[in-house]
Amino acid sequence: DQQVKQNSPSLSVQEGRISILNCDYTNSMFDYFLWYKKYPAEGPTFLISISSIKDKNEDGRFTVFLNKSAKHLSLHIVPSQPGDSAVYFCAASLQYNFNKFYFGSGTKLNVKP
Amino acid sequence: ETGVTQSPTHLIKTRGQQVTLRCSSQSGHNTVSWYQQALGQGPQFIFQYYREEENGRGNFPPRFSGLQFPNYSSELNVNALELDDSALYLCASTGTGGFYGYTFGSGTRLTVV
Repeated sequence: DQQVKQNSPSLSVQEGRISILNCDYTNSMFDYFLWYKKYPAEGPTFLISISSIKDKNEDGRFTVFLNKSAKHLSLHIVPSQPGDSAVYFCAASLQYNFNKFYFGSGTKLNVKP
Repeated sequence: ETGVTQSPTHLIKTRGQQVTLRCSSQSGHNTVSWYQQALGQGPQFIFQYYREEENGRGNFPPRFSGLQFPNYSSELNVNALELDDSALYLCASTGTGGFYGYTFGSGTRLTVV
């Protein structure tokens, strides 16, 4: 049962433009959400997170938006750079089990120069 | 800060065999989690260890077992290997005093033939 879904397996964006990666979830009890970036032959790297009490969190070029009523979150990258090309995973956790994460299947972002 | 290291990087085993995967957690991180990532999928939670005790388990059979040692290293053992166990196995650690996202290792690619 896939509780976190990333319905776009890939996304291609021109350098300098905005990249928007989307993630949907089914469990309304999820309390904490993260985005990870993964390069080939490396482990996932933590990118940005958001608590369910917020609807936006910003860190430099990266912004995560959370819409609890729609059970949807998105990651915006502005401006996109070729070095951002990677697989992006969203993940969610339940409040009472903070260290167990449910991951989406990932979106492969390609930023073209 | 030494990061999370996993060994071996690649491994080929025969169905029915047993395998041990190793992880050395980031210094000071007393919580370690193991994830299985099948091809084209996101990581799936196997189990977590905190202070050498299992502290949460995902939907994996008992033939998946683990150990955590006082020196921040840990092991994932899989008995009676099946073809579907072929995957990337990721180790992730985190410390106490707040949550800042897991630190993942680069993983062990296990192929069962």
